[in-house]
Amino acid sequence: NAGVTQTPKFQVLKTGQSMTLQCAQDMNHNSMYWYRQDPGMGLRLIYYSASEGTTDKGEVPNGYNVSRLNKREFSLRLESAAPSQTSVYFCASSGDRAGELFFGEGSRLTVL
Amino acid sequence: KNEVEQSPQNLTAQEGEFITINCSYSVGISALHWLQQHPGGGIVSLFMLSSGKKKHGRLIATINIQEKHSSLHITASHPRDSAVYICAVRPGAQKLVFGQGTRLTINP
Repeated sequence: NAGVTQTPKFQVLKTGQSMTLQCAQDMNHNSMYWYRQDPGMGLRLIYYSASEGTTDKGEVPNGYNVSRLNKREFSLRLESAAPSQTSVYFCASSGDRAGELFFGEGSRLTVL
Repeated sequence: KNEVEQSPQNLTAQEGEFITINCSYSVGISALHWLQQHPGGGIVSLFMLSSGKKKHGRLIATINIQEKHSSLHITASHPRDSAVYICAVRPGAQKLVFGQGTRLTINP
């Protein structure tokens, strides 16, 4: 069982470059999320998707875009990376059954 | 003030000790999650609670909805329990609000 798979696991960017973080889940979950984790800040929601074709902003959406093209995949795009976006990014998915909440292994992004 | 407060922020104990981590929240919730994150690792959901108590192996989680408080207990702690434990609440159907985590270190 793969669960939630994120790629890439590590990435170094220069300021102004763009990149896309990919996330896929194989559990047929409706809801998917992108979080960032920074020291002393805990996990903060960037965007979420309650179902295929829908997306909503979280606490810290500025500088990011997302796409939920199908039920499995939810991608996060940085159009013009900034040093403030240096962080560890986690994708998660949740299902309708109580307790179902799964995280990917995280993607460590450094913007120079 | 954060909507979810955990205490303590850091906890160091000896192997075998009984551990308690607390979580207080200020919003109405439909559920509360306890998560575990090992150093450099991913995040695993340990429990989801909406009332009462749940037990899994040496881990016990309780919640008091009226007092807006939950505790995570670890009995007979072991060095492999060393991790960051995170409390997360669901104010609505979709969103989670996270505490800042409790860093637990169990020394042999």
